[in-house]
Amino acid sequence: GAGVSQSPSNKVTEKGKDVELRCDPISGHTALYWYRQRLGQGLEFLIYFQGNSAPDKSGLPSDRFSAERTGESVSTLTIQRTQQEDSAVYLCASTPDRGQNQPQHFGDGTRLSIL
Amino acid sequence: AQSVTQPDIHITVSEGASLELRCNYSYGATPYLFWYVQSPGQGLQLLLKYFSGDTLVQGIKGFEAEFKRSQSSFNLRKPSVHWSDAAEYFCAVASTSGTYKYIFGTGTRLKVLA
Repeated sequence: GAGVSQSPSNKVTEKGKDVELRCDPISGHTALYWYRQRLGQGLEFLIYFQGNSAPDKSGLPSDRFSAERTGESVSTLTIQRTQQEDSAVYLCASTPDRGQNQPQHFGDGTRLSIL
Repeated sequence: AQSVTQPDIHITVSEGASLELRCNYSYGATPYLFWYVQSPGQGLQLLLKYFSGDTLVQGIKGFEAEFKRSQSSFNLRKPSVHWSDAAEYFCAVASTSGTYKYIFGTGTRLKVLA
């Protein structure tokens, strides 16, 4: 497909478990963003990758959150020792480059529910 | 601080009626401006964007938005709403230089009455 792909679409897990969320950006897009969207709220920036540069992790809410991306390919967002407040939709977006005149292309998100 | 405000959390309109969704921003200079729509269970889809030039921009699905510098606003409009327009709408800004971060409003949920 031509769009941003995220998996799984839904994830239910018990408090304290680790989860891994995957994002496959549009081919050729060098910039990749992760956002968190809590129920009824806007998008909260988590992390930004641009090519092989060091990522901007300034939005990660705690050290339980981490993300990786190899080159310009797939990214994974990992949440360790999940808490109930981690329940949210996690959205991934990509753009062709870091230029701000590029609208973001979003995946459909992963809905994470922590029991 | 940079921010985006969407003052209306919920809006309900009848099908066929006109629509205006408000967006105000606080920024040091004129940013890039975007409107996105999010249908249930899906990601955000770009409706339209403003970079420069004509302050009235046309988007997909019959939407338009007008940039008003004096009011720091970028309101979204549609002359006649269709039931399929029911969704959540997000306004976003991005810097024209420097930081690559986008700032999103908290969204406006649109309900359309048949």
